[in-house]
Amino acid sequence: EPEVTQTPSHQVTQMGQEVILRCVPISNHLYFYWYRQILGQKVEFLVSFYNNEISEKSEIFDDQFSVERPDGSNFTLKIRSTKLEDSAMYFCASSGYRASLTDTQYFGPGTRLTVL
Amino acid sequence: QQQVKQSPQSLIVQKGGIPIINCAYENTAFDYFPWYQQFPGKGPALLIAIRPDVSEKKEGRFTISFNKSAKQFSLHIMDSQPGDSATYFCAASISSGSARQLTFGSGTQLTVLP
Repeated sequence: EPEVTQTPSHQVTQMGQEVILRCVPISNHLYFYWYRQILGQKVEFLVSFYNNEISEKSEIFDDQFSVERPDGSNFTLKIRSTKLEDSAMYFCASSGYRASLTDTQYFGPGTRLTVL
Repeated sequence: QQQVKQSPQSLIVQKGGIPIINCAYENTAFDYFPWYQQFPGKGPALLIAIRPDVSEKKEGRFTISFNKSAKQFSLHIMDSQPGDSATYFCAASISSGSARQLTFGSGTQLTVLP
């Protein structure tokens, strides 16, 4: 069964450093998402991406964040200058061929980001 | 307005019991309500979902009850098994730009004792 993959599984970085989290969505999916989950809290929407541009972003997704689909398979989240409060689990998700009502978002296993 | 409130935070039942997890929302623009199951070290996986024009949906041992007027919905797990022990998230979906956006509840950690 196709699945979303994410690398690395755990990333440790120093405050102020740049990090890039990588995702390989399900092949042929057209919609891509990043969510994050701070430890013990709920999963929060960050950004959606379609047709090589951001479709929607939350207030969390400020100028420190950017997303890119550098080739036909990868989808990346970059945090330019990490803060302590960026420590969280980051989930990538993808969904299929149309953003219809019942279109399932498939989630990857997540990258745990720890900012020291 | 965009929140989805979920309770309880944790739940322990005996094998065969029927755990019930409740969620409530405010924004009537939400138009699809999925439930996700998450095991440790894994991402959330879709379990079952319902549209607001349906009052109940059943898939195997999992049932969603939906009360549109009260803006509440709940997940019932029939004949629960130890393998059902996981974190369950309710969510609400809304059209957002050209994609869709999920708003999650805070999660319920379910433990089913053997």
